Amino acid sequence: DAMVIQNPRYQVTQFGKPVTLSCSQTLNHNVMYWYQQKSSQAPKLLFHYYDKDFNNEADTPDNFQSRRPNTSFCFLDIRSPGLGDAAMYLCATSRDRGQGQGAKNIQYFGAGTRLSVL
Amino acid sequence: DAKTTQPNSMESNEEEPVHLPCNHSTISGTDYIHWYRQLPSQGPEYVIHGLTSNVNNRMASLAIAEDRKSSTLILHRATLRDAAVYYCILIYAGNNRKLIWGLGTSLAVNP
Repeated sequence: DAMVIQNPRYQVTQFGKPVTLSCSQTLNHNVMYWYQQKSSQAPKLLFHYYDKDFNNEADTPDNFQSRRPNTSFCFLDIRSPGLGDAAMYLCATSRDRGQGQGAKNIQYFGAGTRLSVL
Repeated sequence: DAKTTQPNSMESNEEEPVHLPCNHSTISGTDYIHWYRQLPSQGPEYVIHGLTSNVNNRMASLAIAEDRKSSTLILHRATLRDAAVYYCILIYAGNNRKLIWGLGTSLAVNP
């Protein structure tokens, strides 16, 4: 089945030690998103790639970076994780037919990576 | 951005219908209404969407008020597997990559 796969499901890192989370998709979607979700909260969009174009949310800390080497893969890099960065990180994809297509922008999510910072 | 308001939690019995309400009184004419749900320890999954007319699919029905200031997600026969957090989301057609998430309703289904 076509899907969005996140690895690993659980990641433990140390305070200040860089960590990379990965996401792959077999849907051939042109848009990939990274969300942060803390306990009992809705997901918060960090940034997204529209094809190769990177789109950062205004309130995303500089500590969070992303790379998309090809259509199928996208990485989330946290340069110096703090205790406040412990959260579930969700990757999602969508096939964007352009603006004005809000009805059709259905996002497909991976199962998430739960990050712990010690 | 328009916002959505949902009850924090609801409870249902198995095989009974469930009506999950959402208020979006500041919705604009070009905002689409989407619903996603998130099962425990999973990523959100799409449920249904609409603009003005009521919609049905294999998972649920979406009833949209005539003034579009509110909507209701209807699960016709709740199962234990439907226990999840249900998010009512607005998508502005002019920026369709940004989901405006509500806080979600946590649905418990009793056997």
